[in-house]
Amino acid sequence: DVKVTQSSRYLVKRTGEKVFLECVQDMDHENMFWYRQDPGLGLRLIYFSYDVKMKEKGDIPEGYSVSREKKERFSLILESASTNQTSMYLCASSLGVSFTGELFFGEGSRLTVL
Amino acid sequence: AQRVTQPEKLLSVFKGAPVELKCNYSYSGSPELFWYVQYSRQRLQLLLRHISRESIKGFTADLNKGETSFHLKKPFAQEEDSAMYYCALRNNNNDMRFGAGTRLTVKP
Repeated sequence: DVKVTQSSRYLVKRTGEKVFLECVQDMDHENMFWYRQDPGLGLRLIYFSYDVKMKEKGDIPEGYSVSREKKERFSLILESASTNQTSMYLCASSLGVSFTGELFFGEGSRLTVL
Repeated sequence: AQRVTQPEKLLSVFKGAPVELKCNYSYSGSPELFWYVQYSRQRLQLLLRHISRESIKGFTADLNKGETSFHLKKPFAQEEDSAMYYCALRNNNNDMRFGAGTRLTVKP
């Protein structure tokens, strides 16, 4: 059973703080993704990674960075949090070459920036 | 550029009624389309993919390249179908783009 674990379910941070969101998957998946989920806007891709140390920008990378030092872990970093980054953040993983289109999602991290 | 459009944010039907959730896409390559579902307090999960041409939980979706649509249909809605539904498109880079989602409510 695929498990994608996001370390923090709920976070409250102040404007300007540095925020780390961690995601770990246990299925040896090559691809990992970070999305933010907002009502009326759906899921928007922030960054994805198809291999260790590889990253690609999604549709809304501004204000975010990512790190993938190990295959199982994909971190999302907000260098200086702002109130418009208050959102639900979803991590997902999938197979690489054999990708069937199925993403496995974590439970989400709800971030509030005050 | 790729784009997935779900024109209805909210959809409400009565139990036993047919339901259709609309999805339109724009993509210059050969599209692969999917439907994902998120039930209350559960993770987002894959419902079905167009390439499989399968029926899952009574839902079907046909890719219409002429109309660039991938509408999700079920002939008889059930209360347990109430959820958030997202249409998604996979591009050549193997990343997935999602629509804005449609919240389906099936009333008793």
